[in-house]
Amino acid sequence: KAGVTQTPRYLIKTRGQQVTLSCSPISGHRSVSWYQQTPGQGLQFLFEYFSETQRNKGNFPGRFSGRQFSNSRSEMNVSTLELGDSALYLCASCRLAGVTGELFFGEGSRLTVL
Amino acid sequence: KNEVEQSPQNLTAQEGEFITINCSYSVGISALHWLQQHPGGGIVSLFMLSSGKKKHGRLIATINIQEKHSSLHITASHPRDSAVYICAVRLGTNTGNQFYFGTGTSLTVIP
Repeated sequence: KAGVTQTPRYLIKTRGQQVTLSCSPISGHRSVSWYQQTPGQGLQFLFEYFSETQRNKGNFPGRFSGRQFSNSRSEMNVSTLELGDSALYLCASCRLAGVTGELFFGEGSRLTVL
Repeated sequence: KNEVEQSPQNLTAQEGEFITINCSYSVGISALHWLQQHPGGGIVSLFMLSSGKKKHGRLIATINIQEKHSSLHITASHPRDSAVYICAVRLGTNTGNQFYFGTGTSLTVIP
């Protein structure tokens, strides 16, 4: 059974640009959540999608957005990149939404903003 | 204010030692996750707990809901256990989940 796939694994952007990251969940999983990890702030929750609907969002500015498609694949977008957006972006899939369900993480997309 | 506090931040152990990592949280939760992150970034979920105790091989996780505290134990530690261990709490409602993470415990097991 294939795991959670994130693309691209590494990317470099410059300030002001935008970036789109992709996450393909485990087959049959309908929930995808996104996280940002930085040395200073650690892991932080970005948002969760289930059945193409954003169910919750962490404390991030509106430059961070996402969506989920009918096949459960999810994308997140960061517009007007800032140096502080340099981070490892992780997604996780879960078979269920709500209060139950184990999380399965991808390897992450490492974004560097110059 | 940190909703999740982990201790210790760093831990060095000799191979074979018994290891305990602690996690305290201040919010009402629906589940607590223990995560393992190796150099390079990939995260593996070790346990998801809402009550009691779970065991996988040499790893044991316990949670005390009343005291808002969880522990991760590693018995007979091995160098391959060297990683960062992260405690995460999930607040689940009918409208979705919210997650809060500890800052992680960096474990080094020396042969």
